[in-house]
Amino acid sequence: SQTIHQWPATLVQPVGSPLSLECTVEGTSNPNLYWYRQAAGRGLQLLFYSVGIGQISSEVPQNLSASRPQDRQFILSSKKLLLSDSGFYLCALGLDAYEQYFGPGTRLTVT
Amino acid sequence: GEDVEQSLFLSVREGDSSVINCTYTDSSSTYLYWYKQEPGAGLQLLTYIFSNMDMKQDQRLTVLLNKKDKHLSLRIADTQTGDSAIYFCAERTSGNTPLVFGKGTRLSVIA
Repeated sequence: SQTIHQWPATLVQPVGSPLSLECTVEGTSNPNLYWYRQAAGRGLQLLFYSVGIGQISSEVPQNLSASRPQDRQFILSSKKLLLSDSGFYLCALGLDAYEQYFGPGTRLTVT
Repeated sequence: GEDVEQSLFLSVREGDSSVINCTYTDSSSTYLYWYKQEPGAGLQLLTYIFSNMDMKQDQRLTVLLNKKDKHLSLRIADTQTGDSAIYFCAERTSGNTPLVFGKGTRLSVIA
C-alpha cells in the first residue's frame, strides 16, 4: 500500500526567509501529486498539482512554487515567506481515477 | 465555477446518529468523497461514491446521494466520541481533475 511522508512536521520561520517542504511517496509509481494549504479555521486550498516529473500546474498565483524532480518527490518552496503563508500544508497522492490520499501535513508558522 | 457547501458545525450526543450534509454546484461531478480530519492530522479518506449510485454503506457509515438536488450526506450510526473531527465533502468531475473541497463540518460528540 502507498505511504506519504512529509518533512518537516513542524516549522517556525521568520518573515522573508526561504522555505522548502518535502513530500515523498512510497508504494506507487507515476502518481498525481498535490499540495494543499489549510489556514486556521478554513477549508483546503489547492496550491499545485503534478501529473508527472517536471509537470506542475499552479492553481493560485502567489509567492510559492513547486517542483517535482523525481517521480515520487514533490517539493513546495518559497524565496521569501509572508505572514499569510502560515498554515497547515498537506501533500496528497492521487491513485487511479478515484482515490486521493493525504500525508500527515506540515504545520508552518511564519513569525 | 465549482462550489461545495457544508454547514460548519454539528453537535450530537454519544450513541445518536449524525448526519452531515453537503451540496455541490457542478452537475458534471462524477465522484464524491467524504474525508475525516482529526486535530493536527492529515485527511483520512472515509468513503466515496460514484454519481450513478444513490447510496453506499460501509459499517457505521451511510452515504446518500441525491443527484437531482446535488446533495450528498454522510450518516454515522451510533456516534462515538472518537468520531469527533472535521468532515470534508469533496467532488471531482474526472480522475485527473483535482478535488474541490467544502470548508468542512466540525462534529462534536457529547458524552
